[in-house]
Amino acid sequence: SQQGEEDPQALSIQEGENATMNCSYKTSINNLQWYRQNSGRGLVHLILIRSNEREKHSGRLRVTLDTSKKSSSLLITASRAADTASYFCATDRTGTASKLTFGTGTRLQVTL
Amino acid sequence: GAVVSQHPSWVICKSGTSVKIECRSLDFQATTMFWYRQFPKQSLMLMATSNEGSKATYEQGVEKDKFLINHASLTLSTLTVTSAHPEDSSFYICSARGGGQSSSYNEQFFGPGTRLTVL
Repeated sequence: SQQGEEDPQALSIQEGENATMNCSYKTSINNLQWYRQNSGRGLVHLILIRSNEREKHSGRLRVTLDTSKKSSSLLITASRAADTASYFCATDRTGTASKLTFGTGTRLQVTL
Repeated sequence: GAVVSQHPSWVICKSGTSVKIECRSLDFQATTMFWYRQFPKQSLMLMATSNEGSKATYEQGVEKDKFLINHASLTLSTLTVTSAHPEDSSFYICSARGGGQSSSYNEQFFGPGTRLTVL
């Protein structure tokens, strides 16, 4: 079953703008991960944030985690056309032997 | 990062035939491999978890007799879709995870996916 829901489902922005995607989940987690998927391709791991962390940065990516609200956000700053892809959050739920449960995804379109 | 390959990348078959998809970890030993399916514009749904040398654990609603999984070595897992039907057409993605307590212990490395079309 789907653990997470992401919003927005689709996001269209212009190059240079920031893109923010949100993910909500339902159960306690060990960590939350964000992945990127280009159309018809496999997944690329972007960043992992552990349940005891609140914020993490990696290049132009900033991830926050609020375990009290069971939510996370992914911010991509200074977006580029090459950032166009689908972005998924995935939770590693407590007690599930590290199986990942994926959110519904956000389709990001960055135009020139 | 670690590399996971899948073969074939796409396959078209007739209804009723069986199709085998391979998932290989190229530069690390994968104690656990996962199989997902993804319908167009939808998320990934976990089908099963396989551990090397033992039987796969299937998620609720996934027919184990239809989706046969074999994880015979630390670098290879196979998914066989038996007696495929058009509704089995989907994008199948595997991922692999190594063992140990390194900082990337929880990280899964994903294959590029296999697109199956059943006519």
